[in-house]
Amino acid sequence: QKEVEQNSGPLSVPEGAIASLNCTYSDRGSQSFFWYRQYSGKSPELIMFIYSNGDKEDGRFTAQLNKASQYVSLLIRDSQPSDSATYLCAVGGSFQKLVFGTGTRLLVSP
Amino acid sequence: DVKVTQSSRYLVKRTGEKVFLECVQDMDHENMFWYRQDPGLGLRLIYFSYDVKMKEKGDIPEGYSVSREKKERFSLILESASTNQTSMYLCASSPTSGRPKNIQYFGAGTRLSVL
Repeated sequence: QKEVEQNSGPLSVPEGAIASLNCTYSDRGSQSFFWYRQYSGKSPELIMFIYSNGDKEDGRFTAQLNKASQYVSLLIRDSQPSDSATYLCAVGGSFQKLVFGTGTRLLVSP
Repeated sequence: DVKVTQSSRYLVKRTGEKVFLECVQDMDHENMFWYRQDPGLGLRLIYFSYDVKMKEKGDIPEGYSVSREKKERFSLILESASTNQTSMYLCASSPTSGRPKNIQYFGAGTRLSVL
């Protein structure tokens, strides 16, 4: 069973700080990695994807991938209260499927 | 923008009823998915389809069936609703070709309550 593990949180950070969200996966052959944000009562929305080892930056968000350690992370710089949500890590599996983690709840306090 | 539309945001049904959840996408995506999401359990795949009239079981297909008669539409059917099927149901679609592939775009979700 392919697995994606995330700490459920909540991860609490003050406004303006860096939030660091982590994810590990079990399938060493995985090639694609995604971060989705989900507000309470809403559906997941894609915020980042990464395919290659290293960092990928998009605005305040940076995705980091280390395939050797089977580890994906998401950094949110200058965290805002509007970033408070659950962040889902997803890993590409077979037949176009994604395997999702259970998510990390982030709370950003003003 | 990709648009995935689910027919209902909220549904209340009675035990034993046959329930249809509809999903339509407007991006000509080959792949479509149905998930349910429950607190602490995350997103669990019920069924997916990679082409018209094609379907594959996901991780929790028991008690559900699906239909894909047209490329843009993927229906989830609860043959005889039970209280343990009370959940948030999410539909998603993704392209097969192009880069990046595998990205799934979600509908707004249907919160189903079975009484």
